[in-house]
Amino acid sequence: SQKIEQNSEALNIQEGKTATLTCNYTNYSPAYLQWYRQDPGRGPVFLLLIRENEKEKRKERLKVTFDTTLKQSLFHITASQPADSATYLCALGSPGTYKYIFGTGTRLKVLA
Amino acid sequence: NAGVTQTPKFQVLKTGQSMTLQCAQDMNHEYMSWYRQDPGMGLRLIHYSVGAGITDQGEVPNGYNVSRSTTEDFPLRLLSAAPSQTSVYFCASSPGTPATNEKLFFGSGTQLSVL
Repeated sequence: SQKIEQNSEALNIQEGKTATLTCNYTNYSPAYLQWYRQDPGRGPVFLLLIRENEKEKRKERLKVTFDTTLKQSLFHITASQPADSATYLCALGSPGTYKYIFGTGTRLKVLA
Repeated sequence: NAGVTQTPKFQVLKTGQSMTLQCAQDMNHEYMSWYRQDPGMGLRLIHYSVGAGITDQGEVPNGYNVSRSTTEDFPLRLLSAAPSQTSVYFCASSPGTPATNEKLFFGSGTQLSVL
């Protein structure tokens, strides 16, 4: 069955460092991958989308890579800040489907 | 714009009771969906709709009903609540479908407890 795994349930890093979150998938050939941020008690908010023919996408301090050979996406937050503390979710989708598949999320805590 | 509005924010039910979770969006989105979020399980799709009058099942549809009579509204009905349905429920909408690379807009969620 299709499966998405995010590298760890929780990740603590020091302020100013780069946070790297991993999203691995199996039994799936997504056309694109999305990353969302979720704060406690709130719904997820879209951050970035990367397509299968794109190696890398950037938005301000965020960078996403997509390796369809490794079946993996990496999500980087550079110069991390305590305000970046949240849960980050990856989601996959592809043409011909009406369903997104979400990972379980990684809870990031940036320590001041 | 209000975006995606879910009501109620919190609900406690007794086993066997029925209720409807409301979801409305004011962005004229064709695609709407319901997810449940449980610890360690991530977001799981319950039902989705690609337009008024069209609905289909997601990954975990048992015990839930939906209908889509208008573009704006997509209510989720629990027919006979069970403790296993204790969860946080999110409604999400999108201008297109997952097939067209569209992002999802989520509501703020409904925390449901079934005793």
